[in-house]
Amino acid sequence: AQSVTQLGSHVSVSEGALVLLRCNYSSSVPPYLFWYVQYPNQGLQLLLKYTSAATLVKGINGFEAEFKKSETSFHLTKPSAHMSDAAEYFCAVSWMDSSYKLIFGSGTRLLVRP
Amino acid sequence: DSGVTQTPKHLITATGQRVTLRCSPRSGDLSVYWYQQSLDQGLQFLIQYYNGEERAKGNILERFSAQQFPDLHSELNLSSLELGDSALYFCASSPGPGPDTQYFGPGTRLTVL
Repeated sequence: AQSVTQLGSHVSVSEGALVLLRCNYSSSVPPYLFWYVQYPNQGLQLLLKYTSAATLVKGINGFEAEFKKSETSFHLTKPSAHMSDAAEYFCAVSWMDSSYKLIFGSGTRLLVRP
Repeated sequence: DSGVTQTPKHLITATGQRVTLRCSPRSGDLSVYWYQQSLDQGLQFLIQYYNGEERAKGNILERFSAQQFPDLHSELNLSSLELGDSALYFCASSPGPGPDTQYFGPGTRLTVL
């Protein structure tokens, strides 16, 4: 069965430091991969998605992720954290079946220290 | 603003009651997905409709049902509510049935007392 694992329920970085949020997936078929961000009391906003084109995907707000099939990973990075990046981040996978429903990881809360 | 609207924003009700959550997709989107977000279960897919037809079901309880109307808005009906049904319910829409980006609404926070 397809699944998503996000390592670390909380990640804390200093402002200006590298952000690395980890996501590993399990899929028996080619996956579509997504990162969403959720700010407090808001819905989910798409950061970026991988749909079998370029393996390095650039998203909004300076985030990017690299699809590594050999490692079944889709880690999210940002070179320099900003205070406004503090939020919860969700990795999700979907695949070609009758629905393309999203299967979400458990989420990682990013804390940015001044 | 994703263009997906959900009403109401908050709903407080008692156990055993029935509620209806409403979702209006983005203009032109034919697919509507419903998700539940709770502290213990995380974000879980409930059900999908495409152009008025049910397309996929996830971990949706038998006490829950949904439909998509000809104008493409969707309603999620929750009945015989239990304390454990307290959660955030999100609706998302996408243009078609494929791997398009799903755009999420702001959610309805349901509290069952």
